[in-house]
Amino acid sequence: KQEVTQIPAALSVPEGENLVLNCSFTDSAIYNLQWFRQDPGKGLTSLLLIQSSQREQTSGRLNASLDKSSGRSTLYIAASQPGDSATYLCAVRGAGGTSYGKLTFGQGTILTVHP
Amino acid sequence: GAVVSQHPSWVICKSGTSVKIECRSLDFQATTMFWYRQFPKQSLMLMATSNEGSKATYEQGVEKDKFLINHASLTLSTLTVTSAHPEDSSFYICSARVTGEVKLFFGSGTQLSVL
Repeated sequence: KQEVTQIPAALSVPEGENLVLNCSFTDSAIYNLQWFRQDPGKGLTSLLLIQSSQREQTSGRLNASLDKSSGRSTLYIAASQPGDSATYLCAVRGAGGTSYGKLTFGQGTILTVHP
Repeated sequence: GAVVSQHPSWVICKSGTSVKIECRSLDFQATTMFWYRQFPKQSLMLMATSNEGSKATYEQGVEKDKFLINHASLTLSTLTVTSAHPEDSSFYICSARVTGEVKLFFGSGTQLSVL
């Protein structure tokens, strides 16, 4: 059974800092890994999607890397802003065994960027 | 943590048939559920917000007559894809929010393939 863990559970930083969010998964048989953002009271916003054959994806100030063999992904946020404050979730889509085709989410990292 | 059960995980159907996907909150009450879909190699996109006892709110570009959402109880929301066509083939996922809280919990998704 696929398990996804995100570290840290919460993070508070001053504006302007570069920061890294970590995601690890137990089963390396995945189709893809995604990073999402969740704002309070709202649905989910997809940030970056990395296919299993890819090593990283970039969008603006965000960069996500994937090391499938070690079961790890990181989300790097450059020059953080107060508007980045949200819960960040990673999710993997299984490609084998009992997790085949299923999306498994981590519990999220709550990020607070203060002015 | 709270569990959201989504069923079925996989469905293959002929063009023109209707398919129902269920989303259940197993150990909590959910006044609000969200339905998303993801086409291959694309990001997850919000389709609609489902509120118990009232009509769903659909995102722009989503046909409400084609994607029928019913949220008749605090633990169950259903998405029915009516007269499915091959272009409806996608990965559908639901999420539910615990009443009075902002955190979302997610189902494991349904892969729909329309032949």
